[in-house]
Amino acid sequence: NAGVTQTPKFRVLKTGQSMTLLCAQDMNHEYMYWYRQDPGMGLRLIHYSVGEGTTAKGEVPDGYNVSRLKKQNFLLGLESAAPSQTSVYFCASSYSRTSGKPGANVLTFGAGSRLTVL
Amino acid sequence: GESVGLHLPTLSVQEGDNSIINCAYSNSASDYFIWYKQESGKGPQFIIDIRSNMDKRQGQRVTVLLNKTVKHLSLQIAATQPGDSAVYFCAEFPTPSTSYGKLTFGQGTILTVHP
Repeated sequence: NAGVTQTPKFRVLKTGQSMTLLCAQDMNHEYMYWYRQDPGMGLRLIHYSVGEGTTAKGEVPDGYNVSRLKKQNFLLGLESAAPSQTSVYFCASSYSRTSGKPGANVLTFGAGSRLTVL
Repeated sequence: GESVGLHLPTLSVQEGDNSIINCAYSNSASDYFIWYKQESGKGPQFIIDIRSNMDKRQGQRVTVLLNKTVKHLSLQIAATQPGDSAVYFCAEFPTPSTSYGKLTFGQGTILTVHP
């Protein structure tokens, strides 16, 4: 059981380049999330999805786009990377809060993707 | 906006001692709290959770205490081991369930365990 898998683990971009981070989960979770983690800022929610084909903005959505075409995948895109987007990005997933499943509220996180924008 | 914060950014203890990590939250409507552990280079891992209708919950070597009166949460780790060295985050879920995207994490406390 792989849990939540993020690719790539590391990436260096130049300002203005685009890229996509891929998140895959094999737990049949309904909800998926993208967070960024910066020193002294904790984890901040970028976008999230409550089901296939749906996405919603989080706390810091500007400069990012997401897609959830399949239940198990959640993609985070940067159309024109900026140095301010240098960060560690974490994907997470969970059952829906009203599913009644044990541990439904608990987010399972991936190992992270470290992105540097020069 | 609502926020969750930690009183102590760093905590150093000797192996075998008990550790207490604190967290203050500001949203009195929050009804569910989680503690996560994050080791260097890894994603956060679930440790223990507690609902707002409880004051205390125990796991293996860990206990979470919730004081709703003063909006305070603590994580107690018994007989701390070097493997417990990590950053510890508290997170709160506000109600209702439709505000799921409003999950808030604290900034984290760095726990260092010395052999």
